[in-house]
Amino acid sequence: QQQVKQSPQSLIVQKGGIPIINCAYENTAFDYFPWYQQFPGKGPALLIAIRPDVSEKKEGRFTISFNKSAKQFSLHIMDSQPGDSATYFCAASYLTYSGRYQLTFGKGTKLSVIP
Amino acid sequence: EAGVTQFPSHSVIEKGQTVTLRCDPISGHDNLYWYRRVMGKEIKFLLHFVKESKQDESGMPNNRFLAERTGGTYSTLKVQPAELEDSGVYFCASGQDISNSPLHFGNGTRLTVT
Repeated sequence: QQQVKQSPQSLIVQKGGIPIINCAYENTAFDYFPWYQQFPGKGPALLIAIRPDVSEKKEGRFTISFNKSAKQFSLHIMDSQPGDSATYFCAASYLTYSGRYQLTFGKGTKLSVIP
Repeated sequence: EAGVTQFPSHSVIEKGQTVTLRCDPISGHDNLYWYRRVMGKEIKFLLHFVKESKQDESGMPNNRFLAERTGGTYSTLKVQPAELEDSGVYFCASGQDISNSPLHFGNGTRLTVT
């Protein structure tokens, strides 16, 4: 059972466009929602993260929108650039019974920004 | 600061063989995680070390997988004997504590079992 559903699987936009990647979850115990960016041949790197007590967080050209009642969150990339071409993973974590935060990932979205 | 280092970057082995993956975490990071991504699927948790102790190994697929962390420093993940479904990219990540502090991922080991 996939706990974090991510869409679309792939996305192609023109330079300057605003790609939007969506994620949905079921487990209401999730309390931390990071996005990771992965370039080919590299490991995922934390891009931006949000907690459910806020509806939006912005860092530079990257914005997370969070809808707690709908259990959905999304990543928007403003003024996208070819250098943003990468695979993006949404994730969610919660505190387990053993006192550990367990990070659960979506399947990833491969973004291509065309010049 | 040096990042998380994984070795080898690629490994191609035949079904039934043994492979050992190595991870060197960021110095000072007590928490070390192993994850795996099968092509097109999500990145899945395998196990978590705190120093040299296995904190959670609930994600390990079966007893063909053995992870160790010697002296709380580097970690190894051995697959013996390897099966076709073990193919994927194995990521190691380290972090400073067990809260939601950022995890630092290595570049992964791409394992292909033929």
